[in-house]
Amino acid sequence: QVQLVESGGGLVKPGGSLRLSCAASGFTFSDYYMSWIRQAPGKGLEWVSYISTSGKTINYADSVKGRFTIARDNAKNSLFLQMNSLRADDTAVYYCARVSSTWRADYWGQGTLVTVSS
Amino acid sequence: DIQMTQSPSSLSASVGDRVTITCRASQSISNYLNWYQQKPGKAPKLLIYAASSLERGVPSRFSGSGSGTDFTLTISGLQPEDFATYYCQQSYRAMYTFAQGTNLMIK
Repeated sequence: QVQLVESGGGLVKPGGSLRLSCAASGFTFSDYYMSWIRQAPGKGLEWVSYISTSGKTINYADSVKGRFTIARDNAKNSLFLQMNSLRADDTAVYYCARVSSTWRADYWGQGTLVTVSS
Repeated sequence: DIQMTQSPSSLSASVGDRVTITCRASQSISNYLNWYQQKPGKAPKLLIYAASSLERGVPSRFSGSGSGTDFTLTISGLQPEDFATYYCQQSYRAMYTFAQGTNLMIK
């Protein structure tokens, strides 16, 4: 069965950095686009970034452009999100999601909480 | 960016009721519209994709319709496990925006 397991969240000071990881299993990872989607406490969902199967096509929400970098390692079935220059409004649960045709997020991880606070 | 708006933002209903949630896009998105269910402390779950296609394993009491700018999610015969927050998401153009959600509560 498809499993996505995020890790790397935690408490970080404003201006700091954090790297999230997502370990995928139960499907052919290299066949799927992957995404990071976040949810601030008590708020709705925001599609943060996506990456193509090869890693050549990448896109970011305007709110994180220039600060976050998405990457993948198909040999290790892993997805990453490097987050730099973190701000208080980046505080959220970050979900790793598999993206299927018609840009639907059909499988999600359990999420990892990132808290940006001094 | 394409803006997505759901109504109502919250809704009270009883087990067995039929409920409808509406989603509107700020421009035409054809049928590139997905619906998700989220329960407290859990990740969202895909229910409907391409406006009206039921995701595998989702009960048939869930249905979706619409195209262009106006869409609906209907739950026919609410079950206790259906009380949750529902989100629509446009998949027409990056970045794939979600609406603010509808909190479906027990009356």
